[in-house]
Amino acid sequence: GNSVTQMEGPVTLSEEAFLTINCTYTATGYPSLFWYVQYPGEGLQLLLKATKADDKGSNKGFEATYRKETTSFHLEKGSVQVSDSAVYFCATNRGSTLGRLYFGRGTQLTVWP
Amino acid sequence: DTEVTQTPKHLVMGMTNKKSLKCEQHMGHRAMYWYKQKAKKPPELMFVYSYEKLSINESVPSRFSPECPNSSLLNLHLHALQPEDSALYLCASSQKGGLQETQYFGPGTRLLVL
Repeated sequence: GNSVTQMEGPVTLSEEAFLTINCTYTATGYPSLFWYVQYPGEGLQLLLKATKADDKGSNKGFEATYRKETTSFHLEKGSVQVSDSAVYFCATNRGSTLGRLYFGRGTQLTVWP
Repeated sequence: DTEVTQTPKHLVMGMTNKKSLKCEQHMGHRAMYWYKQKAKKPPELMFVYSYEKLSINESVPSRFSPECPNSSLLNLHLHALQPEDSALYLCASSQKGGLQETQYFGPGTRLLVL
């Protein structure tokens, strides 16, 4: 079954709008949670991560909080920029010792000036 | 430094060609990964090497042959590929391949099979 369920895109916003991309996960044990970003024509870059419940990952104005009670790791940014246009992937290692990553389907974000 | 490098950046090959993709990291990581990514899809795991030994093969066809000659290098040898193998091939590395580790990705090799 799916380990990560990510909201369906595409998401289109105007510059300075508030962004939320929903992500929920299923896992056993104590998974780590990640958000990766992929800019057009590039590889994946780690955006932020959290390794235990109630941890908040943050980077470049983006934040996500590891919520064990709702099994969620929603990505938020208060004011998006055109340069944030990219595909965002939520991922978990599902508590596996093998370091295998399970990705969500990805959410395309387009920000207009 | 969290850099993973991949060469070449782009590759076009015929179905009878033999080519290799190369990945390198100098972070002292002992786990390395190959992923395949089709357009508008998430990356799909192909192979995992841990301490230079193959630990996961996700039932990848034998026309893809991985090799880990040392702890910094990972190759993917390609032979007799099909057009449906055209994709972005991503390499990643992590410290040991264990719990709570972060995988760092390279920029990828964009492969086109004609």
